[in-house]
Amino acid sequence: QVQLVESGGGLVKPGGSLRLSCAASGFSFSDYYMGWIRQAPGKGLEWISYISVNGATIYYADSVKGRFTLSRDDAKSSLFLQMNSLRAEDTAIYYCARDRDRGYLLDYWGQGAQVTVSS
Amino acid sequence: DIQMTQSPSTLSASVGDRVTITCRASQNINYWLAWYQQKPGKAPHLLIYKASILESGVPSRFSGSGSGTEFTLTISSLQPDDFATYFCHQYNSYSPWTFGQGTKVEIK
Repeated sequence: QVQLVESGGGLVKPGGSLRLSCAASGFSFSDYYMGWIRQAPGKGLEWISYISVNGATIYYADSVKGRFTLSRDDAKSSLFLQMNSLRAEDTAIYYCARDRDRGYLLDYWGQGAQVTVSS
Repeated sequence: DIQMTQSPSTLSASVGDRVTITCRASQNINYWLAWYQQKPGKAPHLLIYKASILESGVPSRFSGSGSGTEFTLTISSLQPDDFATYFCHQYNSYSPWTFGQGTKVEIK
């Protein structure tokens, strides 16, 4: 069955960096667009980044543009989110999710990785 | 950005109750709306897409309706497994995609 497992979260100081990974299984990863969504404490969900097949097109929310970099390794069925210059407001649970049919419907999500930015 | 206003934020109900959750979009999104269920510490689970299409394997007590700017998720007879948080998601092309704030369904 489809599984998405995030890893790499943790506690980091403001200005620091973290790299999140999302390991995919149960489907042909290279055929799917993928995205990252986050949820800050007590807040709603926020879409932050999205990548097409082959990494040809990548979108970022304004809130992370220039600080976060999304990439994929189809050979390893993995998605990566490099997060630099982290701020307190980046504290959230980060979810990776699969786009079902390139129509932006997120049909499978991982359980999330906690990122805490605090001094 | 398209804003999604979901109501209520919390709903107290009993097993067997009919439950309705509403999501309003700040502009026309046609039928590009999905509903998800999320339990604490778990991944969101897709229930409904294209406003009214039931995802495979989802019980038929769940239904969705609406188009344009107003949408509804209905649970016809609430079951113990349904106590969770529900949220809507508009995916009307790259707008960017936005979500409702969520509705927590609690035991009355």
